Amino acid sequence: AQSVTQLDSQVPVFEEAPVELRCNYSSSVSVYLFWYVQYPNQGLQLLLKYLSGSTLVKGINGFEAEFNKSQTSFHLRKPSVHISDTAEYFCAVSDRNTDKLIFGTGTRLQVFP
Amino acid sequence: EPEVTQTPSHQVTQMGQEVILRCVPISNHLYFYWYRQILGQKVEFLVSFYNNEISEKSEIFDDQFSVERPDGSNFTLKIRSTKLEDSAMYFCASTYYGGDGTDTQYFGPGTRLTVL
Repeated sequence: AQSVTQLDSQVPVFEEAPVELRCNYSSSVSVYLFWYVQYPNQGLQLLLKYLSGSTLVKGINGFEAEFNKSQTSFHLRKPSVHISDTAEYFCAVSDRNTDKLIFGTGTRLQVFP
Repeated sequence: EPEVTQTPSHQVTQMGQEVILRCVPISNHLYFYWYRQILGQKVEFLVSFYNNEISEKSEIFDDQFSVERPDGSNFTLKIRSTKLEDSAMYFCASTYYGGDGTDTQYFGPGTRLTVL
């Protein structure tokens, strides 16, 4: 069975600082990996996804993530955050046999001025 | 930009009552999903639906739950007899193609269900 672990439930950071949100997964098969963002009172929006190929994936709003198979990680990074990046971030996994997304518990990113 | 919509945004019901949560997926999408998030917990998959049939369902999706595409635009989730533990945010999602895990799922804003 697949699972996703987001160790940090909250990450406080000052504006213009870099940030990394951690995601680790476990799976017995090749996986697809996703990062979704949820702004207050809105649905989940895809930031980026890894299906295959280059392990460095660039997404919207200046975010990027790196797939590391040996460490079973897919950490999300942004070199300089804005106040508007304050939101809940979810890492998720699926595989080629299913559309079912398995989500982590989410990380709340709080950006302070 | 096309988006998934859900109604109502908040539903309050009494335990034992039936509720129907409604979703309008993106118009040319063919695969539809329901997820739920109990407060403070993970977003959990409930069911996927394609070609008027359930493709996959989770252990949560028991006989109390059903899904339907009653017309060309709506996709509904019915809970026949609500329990307190059904209180959660319910998200609808859709994709154009599916079955292999690669297509992006577009999520609606959710319906918050409160069972009293």
